[in-house]
Amino acid sequence: DTGVSQNPRHKITKRGQNVTFRCDPISEHNRLYWYRQTLGQGPEFLTYFQNEAQLEKSRLLSDRFSAERPKGSFSTLEIQRTEQGDSAMYLCASSFTGINTEAFFGQGTRLTVV
Amino acid sequence: LAKTTQPISMDSYEGQEVNITCSHNNIATNDYITWYQQFPSQGPRFIIQGYKTKVTNEVASLFIPADRKSSTLSLPRVSLSDTAVYYCLVGEYSSASKIIFGSGTRLSIRP
Repeated sequence: DTGVSQNPRHKITKRGQNVTFRCDPISEHNRLYWYRQTLGQGPEFLTYFQNEAQLEKSRLLSDRFSAERPKGSFSTLEIQRTEQGDSAMYLCASSFTGINTEAFFGQGTRLTVV
Repeated sequence: LAKTTQPISMDSYEGQEVNITCSHNNIATNDYITWYQQFPSQGPRFIIQGYKTKVTNEVASLFIPADRKSSTLSLPRVSLSDTAVYYCLVGEYSSASKIIFGSGTRLSIRP
């Protein structure tokens, strides 16, 4: 296992198009997180899963955003009708469930909406 | 989750010891203090975590005073490769279940 994998690494899309990102967590990890990060800011929490259940969604996650984690393994984050403000780095992380366990992050998907 | 305050940026030179202090006045009894490091175009990476007193690993040391209202990340003998953003986080993640990042401290190391 080589860690958290995110695909694609870069995505350029036209405004109004839909995009989907994939995250493959570390296989033993049952918790999976999505974050968004813009230049000069810390990562902003979007949502997280425990196994296949989506347990929390940030208010940042508008109706155009949807995340899934079928079978508690990989996860997808879809953005519908993209806007220029969606341009950001989208980060995925995974961890065990437990007290203060370390989260492992992927290298992110950089989205540019033109 | 307790709010944290840390310097926006710091500069130092290779070979120096760097100390980054984080203030967390509202830390709760069950909260731990965790530091992450982030290089450009990469995801954050866990550095160290502690509850009280001092924790040391191969990368850094974490000093936490008795009142736990602040903590100091200490990086010994920094190199150019330590140039990164460092985030201080406070929380009890078994129940909080999400990791909240602030803006972090941008550390620049010069030759």
